[in-house]
Amino acid sequence: GQNIDQPTEMTATEGAIVQINCTYQTSGFNGLFWYQQHAGEAPTFLSYNVLDGLEEKGRFSSFLSRSKGYSYLLLKELQMKDSASYLCAAGVHNNDMRFGAGTRLTVKP
Amino acid sequence: DTGVSQDPRHKITKRGQNVTFRCDPISEHNRLYWYRQTLGQGPEFLTYFQNEAQLEKSRLLSDRFSAERPKGSFSTLEIQRTEQGDSAMYLCASSFGASGRSPYNEQFFGPGTRLTVL
Repeated sequence: GQNIDQPTEMTATEGAIVQINCTYQTSGFNGLFWYQQHAGEAPTFLSYNVLDGLEEKGRFSSFLSRSKGYSYLLLKELQMKDSASYLCAAGVHNNDMRFGAGTRLTVKP
Repeated sequence: DTGVSQDPRHKITKRGQNVTFRCDPISEHNRLYWYRQTLGQGPEFLTYFQNEAQLEKSRLLSDRFSAERPKGSFSTLEIQRTEQGDSAMYLCASSFGASGRSPYNEQFFGPGTRLTVL
């Protein structure tokens, strides 16, 4: 079966750094995606990791450890607009995805 | 290209009625996905098409749900005899699939159709 776990909610301060963790157990694992979803809007792609290690893209970085079934999304220099849900999704089989429930991040001034 | 579009954006219906939603993917994309999302949850996979072929259906997709993509372009999702538990956001996404253009099959989501069953 597919099991993807991430914290339900997190709160952080503007300008700070926050790390959102995700653990997964899936069959046919084929990479780990992170999506951002603002309330009432569609998810938008942030990152993809298929090899172990850290991928950096501006203020956002994503890390993967396949042996541990673990990933995290690191957000630096937080801005108010970063308040959103962050969805961890495991790529499975032929590059399809299964999503976690999402982590709702609130950035406070 | 204007991205993935969905119609209608909102639908309110009475229990027992049938509803149909439409999704127009990004024109070059060969894969099209349907997801359902309820409040506080991530998108749940329902089904996907590669061109006109429906390749996978979730066990969540009961017999009341049917999806088509007759010409490999737009897709429709029909729910028959709607129930209150069907109330959710229905998201459509499209992608190239694993190819030289998008080796990791990034999916692009539409704005969704919010269904409310009274």
